Amino acid sequence: SQKIEQNSEALNIQEGKTATLTCNYTNYSPAYLQWYRQDPGRGPVFLLLIRENEKEKRKERLKVTFDTTLKQSLFHITASQPADSATYLCARLEGTYKYIFGTGTRLKVLA
Amino acid sequence: NAGVTQTPKFRVLKTGQSMTLLCAQDMNHEYMYWYRQDPGMGLRLIHYSVGEGTTAKGEVPDGYNVSRLKKQNFLLGLESAAPSQTSVYFCASSRGQGVTGETQYFGPGTRLLVL
Repeated sequence: SQKIEQNSEALNIQEGKTATLTCNYTNYSPAYLQWYRQDPGRGPVFLLLIRENEKEKRKERLKVTFDTTLKQSLFHITASQPADSATYLCARLEGTYKYIFGTGTRLKVLA
Repeated sequence: NAGVTQTPKFRVLKTGQSMTLLCAQDMNHEYMYWYRQDPGMGLRLIHYSVGEGTTAKGEVPDGYNVSRLKKQNFLLGLESAAPSQTSVYFCASSRGQGVTGETQYFGPGTRLLVL
């Protein structure tokens, strides 16, 4: 089965810096990868989707890249703010209906 | 629109008791999912449904049953709760799988403690 691996260690960065989170996958490349944000005590919220044939996708201060050679997606938050502190999840589709989620990386932006 | 709602928000059960978690969505989505989230394990798919009257097993289905009698509702049942089922349960829905990659919309979660 496919796997999604995210760094389980928390990432602490200073406000204003760029946060970079990593999502690695195994076996064949998925058609697309999704990124979600999860705040404590809440359900995940969709942020971005990037397709296999897209190198980069942007949405406001967010940027996602997809490197099929490295089997990796990077999630960047530029000019980070304390309000960006949350857990960020990466997900891929396995088969037709099943989504496989990574364990998530907790980001803390320090003021 | 309320989106995806879940009831109850929190529940304590004794081992062997049964309960049903309710998920409702008002977005007319075809697909619905039940996940559990445990520390260090991430979200794991329990059961899913691709339409009214259909259900299928996910990654960790043992000890759970589901029903989708109405398109907007997806029920998760625990017939005989075990401490290993202590977890946070999330319901999600999506329009339906397509080449665009459907976004999943999640509910707020149900925290279940089995003693």
